[in-house]
Amino acid sequence: KNEVEQSPQNLTAQEGEFITINCSYSVGISALHWLQQHPGGGIVSLFMLSSGKKKHGRLIATINIQEKHSSLHITASHPRDSAVYICAVGGGGSQGNLIFGKGTKLSVKP
Amino acid sequence: EPEVTQTPSHQVTQMGQEVILRCVPISNHLYFYWYRQILGQKVEFLVSFYNNEISEKSEIFDDQFSVERPDGSNFTLKIRSTKLEDSAMYFCASSPGRGITTTYSGNTIYFGEGSWLTVV
Repeated sequence: KNEVEQSPQNLTAQEGEFITINCSYSVGISALHWLQQHPGGGIVSLFMLSSGKKKHGRLIATINIQEKHSSLHITASHPRDSAVYICAVGGGGSQGNLIFGKGTKLSVKP
Repeated sequence: EPEVTQTPSHQVTQMGQEVILRCVPISNHLYFYWYRQILGQKVEFLVSFYNNEISEKSEIFDDQFSVERPDGSNFTLKIRSTKLEDSAMYFCASSPGRGITTTYSGNTIYFGEGSWLTVV
């Protein structure tokens, strides 16, 4: 069974800082998702990766398949980025059959 | 932007009662999912549904649970004889289909806002 580990568990940053959240998994996967969970509980999918790098606005996601590792970067962080960021991996079955990490709680202070 | 909608947003039920959580997936999507998140814990996959049948389910999804797409738009999760440990946030999600990416992000899974279930 795949184990998904995220670090750090909690992260406090000052507005404008560059932020990195890491995700490691133990078994080969077909895709990795980065998700954002709002304080109210709702989940938004940010990226799905199977290789390389993706960028949207201030968010960048990378994945290294050989090392079984992915990172989510936030440039020029803002208080509205405060949320829980969750890494989830899929093994090739149903694309929704995901194993989730515990999440990284990010708080960005003004 | 189209979205997945869930009702109710919060339900309180007595132990042993049956609960139905409802979801309206995005209209042209083909795959539907349910997940749950017990307070303070990880999100967990429950079940995936395609072509009017379950395509995958987790160990959590036992005989107490069932899913149905009763018409062309709704996707429901039924929990029979609820237990205290069923208290959780339940998320519905949908996706357009295998290998189909719709946005810059390659995102294929769209989540609803969740339904809080409290069993007392």
